[in-house]
Amino acid sequence: SKVLTQPPSVSVAPGKTARIPCEGDRIGNKRVHWYQQRPGQAPLLVINYDKDRPSGISERFSGSHSGNTATLIISRVEAGDEADYYCQVWDGVDDQYVFGTGTQVTVL
Amino acid sequence: EALLVESGGGLVKPGGSLRLSCAASGFTFSAYNMNWVRQAPGKGLEWVASINRRSEKMDYAGSVKGRFTVSRDNVGHSLSLHMTSLSAEDTALYYCARDRGDDYNPHLDVWGQGTLVTVSS
Repeated sequence: SKVLTQPPSVSVAPGKTARIPCEGDRIGNKRVHWYQQRPGQAPLLVINYDKDRPSGISERFSGSHSGNTATLIISRVEAGDEADYYCQVWDGVDDQYVFGTGTQVTVL
Repeated sequence: EALLVESGGGLVKPGGSLRLSCAASGFTFSAYNMNWVRQAPGKGLEWVASINRRSEKMDYAGSVKGRFTVSRDNVGHSLSLHMTSLSAEDTALYYCARDRGDDYNPHLDVWGQGTLVTVSS
């Protein structure tokens, strides 16, 4: 899978749920990881292996994966969740990381 | 606490060369594969290069293959990226990142703050 497509932007009201899809050919058999990048900061791993949360990540972050679409879910959205979010898989054919196109989340 | 600190960025003319460094601390550096990831101004993340624990295997993005060389010093706990034949398209913030997960599903669990490379005449 060389291209992971995400919507450029998602807007959500505080307290609501944001869903960020990540689509790609043949990602059905891959595990998808997600990163949050706040303005001016380095990326931060928020979900690994489709749905697992690394230590220290809020339980408001969750993930799902069905077929060729993975989804990052942010529940009870807060102002601090405003950031760019990227999905990522490993391309084992060419031995390279593949990042999604990125989604900017705006909290209304 | 695991920490990565990049250095070596700066302004370089087209066709020039630059070497980036990443100092690691707070974890057993030799136990992890390492990576460089870049981000052009206002753009998304682009993986650049990987090196395995013992420097036996290096992989590169097609956009940099033949021009960039990744290396590491497990004794000195550092990662390097030697960049040559630079062009404006290489202008980006370059991140050093630690590899985690198994060989089939790696991901990046520790990132530095990045070092900025600007290629301009």
